[in-house]
Amino acid sequence: QPVLTQPPSASASLGASVTLTCTLSSGYSNYKVDWYQQRPGKGPRFVMRVGTGGIVGSKGDGIPDRFSVLGSGLNRYLTIKNIQEEDESDYHCGADHGSGSNFFVVFGGGTKLTVL
Amino acid sequence: QLQLQESGPGLVKPSETLSLTCTVSGGSISSSSYYWGWIRQPPGKGLEWIGSIYYSGSTYYNPSLKSRVTISVDTSKNQFSLKLSSVTAADTAVYYCAKSAVAATNWFDPWGQGTLVTVSS
Repeated sequence: QPVLTQPPSASASLGASVTLTCTLSSGYSNYKVDWYQQRPGKGPRFVMRVGTGGIVGSKGDGIPDRFSVLGSGLNRYLTIKNIQEEDESDYHCGADHGSGSNFFVVFGGGTKLTVL
Repeated sequence: QLQLQESGPGLVKPSETLSLTCTVSGGSISSSSYYWGWIRQPPGKGLEWIGSIYYSGSTYYNPSLKSRVTISVDTSKNQFSLKLSSVTAADTAVYYCAKSAVAATNWFDPWGQGTLVTVSS
């Protein structure tokens, strides 16, 4: 199954932009990845799915237009523009693999975004 | 609006069985459009998928946990449950339940608020 790699931390100033990266392991360049936001002390919240063609389907409920995604090669990116204090969260990426009895879901280690 | 809520003991002794229930409100667990999943997060660590179940009872488990996990569904109560046997301190985590779609849009959404389970004597 694929392995998803995320940098453990990122930071950006209020009002700036930041791009978070989720990297798929070799051989899985056609995989789609789901981004989840987890605010401190809360459960994860679906942000959006991304493939090499960009967003797949629709954004999660209440996700602002400031959030966008892009996919290239093995990398899946989440960009947040005009960062607000409420964007300070852990961001996780996940992907599903296989079908039937071989179905499996994997997650990256998460990136902690700090708003300066 | 669909909501999920986890419930169960917050403290489990080593070698015993962890049991949690997820209650679904605002929709039917018997919908043919959804899977119902369990995901956990050890303190300070990332997410780990435990397994998912369809209303018919078909299950899919993480191979690393498969020998110890049982997920079941009770359509009469609109609930699904998790049992994890022979627990150790490594099973200490916040446990989440979540819905995913059967279709191509099979991301997890929504999630419950999570419940912390500590394994300790």
